[in-house]
Amino acid sequence: DSGVTQTPKHLITATGQRVTLRCSPRSGDLSVYWYQQSLDQGLQFLIQYYNGEERAKGNILERFSAQQFPDLHSELNLSSLELGDSALYFCASNGGQGRSEQFFGPGTRLTVL
Amino acid sequence: GESVGLHLPTLSVQEGDNSIINCAYSNSASDYFIWYKQESGKGPQFIIDIRSNMDKRQGQRVTVLLNKTVKHLSLQIAATQPGDSAVYFCAESPHNTDKLIFGTGTRLQVFP
Repeated sequence: DSGVTQTPKHLITATGQRVTLRCSPRSGDLSVYWYQQSLDQGLQFLIQYYNGEERAKGNILERFSAQQFPDLHSELNLSSLELGDSALYFCASNGGQGRSEQFFGPGTRLTVL
Repeated sequence: GESVGLHLPTLSVQEGDNSIINCAYSNSASDYFIWYKQESGKGPQFIIDIRSNMDKRQGQRVTVLLNKTVKHLSLQIAATQPGDSAVYFCAESPHNTDKLIFGTGTRLQVFP
């Protein structure tokens, strides 16, 4: 158990819909990272937040957005969903002070029908 | 948590043998490297990391080698066990960023 929690575990929805994925980092971690894992793209970095502020952005679509709240939990919002958005979405966290291992949560499996 | 499935290279080893998983990274500006293990249905799990000022680092039963000249990273697992069966990912982090850029992964299968 990494100490990172993600909800829900599974999500099935239809094209055009909007969903919110939630992540609680390890206790004390200030940085949260979101990654997408799909069959044809592997693990792709989406976005990083540090202590409530966006720190780095990767291959995140404009239809996707994220935020980190004062209690440090984070949400990833996916809108106007397409079939190709079906993937595993992982959240990871670390202290955020310098490079160190990122602790991954169990992921949310999103299926868009 | 199945990772990239259809085109994953696979390494098959016998229990007790040593395993070597290789990875080529792309960015000369990367100065932090890390190996993760992903078992089915789970998120990636940290194995070992190495910074660019080193060329070798050892952990428990694992060794990471870094060759910056040819941008190559390898993970050696000693006395491979059935519990080592998983998909292994290398990842690089460019200088001045915290993000990880993952490789495509290698599936390790351990047979008795």
